[in-house]
Amino acid sequence: EAGVTQSPTHLIKTRGQQATLRCSPISGHTSVYWYQQALGLGLQFLLWYDEGEERNRGNFPPRFSGRQFPNYSSELNVNALELEDSALYLCASSLGQTGPNQPQHFGDGTRLSIL
Amino acid sequence: DQQVKQNSPSLSVQEGRISILNCDYTNSMFDYFLWYKKYPAEGPTFLISISSIKDKNEDGRFTVFLNKSAKHLSLHIVPSQPGDSAVYFCAASAGQSSSNTGKLIFGQGTTLQVKP
Repeated sequence: EAGVTQSPTHLIKTRGQQATLRCSPISGHTSVYWYQQALGLGLQFLLWYDEGEERNRGNFPPRFSGRQFPNYSSELNVNALELEDSALYLCASSLGQTGPNQPQHFGDGTRLSIL
Repeated sequence: DQQVKQNSPSLSVQEGRISILNCDYTNSMFDYFLWYKKYPAEGPTFLISISSIKDKNEDGRFTVFLNKSAKHLSLHIVPSQPGDSAVYFCAASAGQSSSNTGKLIFGQGTTLQVKP
């Protein structure tokens, strides 16, 4: 069974540009989560999508946004990139959260570097 | 406000011995706890979880203990193997009724080194 896949592995952008990161969840998973791990910091929750809807977001500005497609894959968009956006962006997926607690399974991340 | 804390940045144990990793939390709304292992250049790998209605969960060499009154959980690895050397994160989530719904709150991680 394929795990969570993320693309691209690395992304280099300059300040003010826009970045799009992609995530494909484990087959059968309907929930997708995005986390940021900046250098020296822990994993910080960004966004949660389930069944195509945004269910929760962390303390990040509105220029961080995303969407979930009918096939449950997801995109994270970061507009007006700033130097401090340089980080590892991790995507996770799980079965839907309406039932018993489900663990989140992570991909290997996209390393975003802002020059 | 760090809701999940791993106070030991690193731990070194001998192969075959027990590794005990600790985690403390502050939010009494947390009802589901998880441990992840992370190798460099890889995403976190789910190891084991525990619901707040239990105080122990076991899976092979890994056992997680939860002490709700102390707001403390621990991960025991027995016996420890060199391949267990990695960064270990504890994480917590809350139920459907809070602003923490659906998201994991992570500790800062503990680097475990298992020496041959």
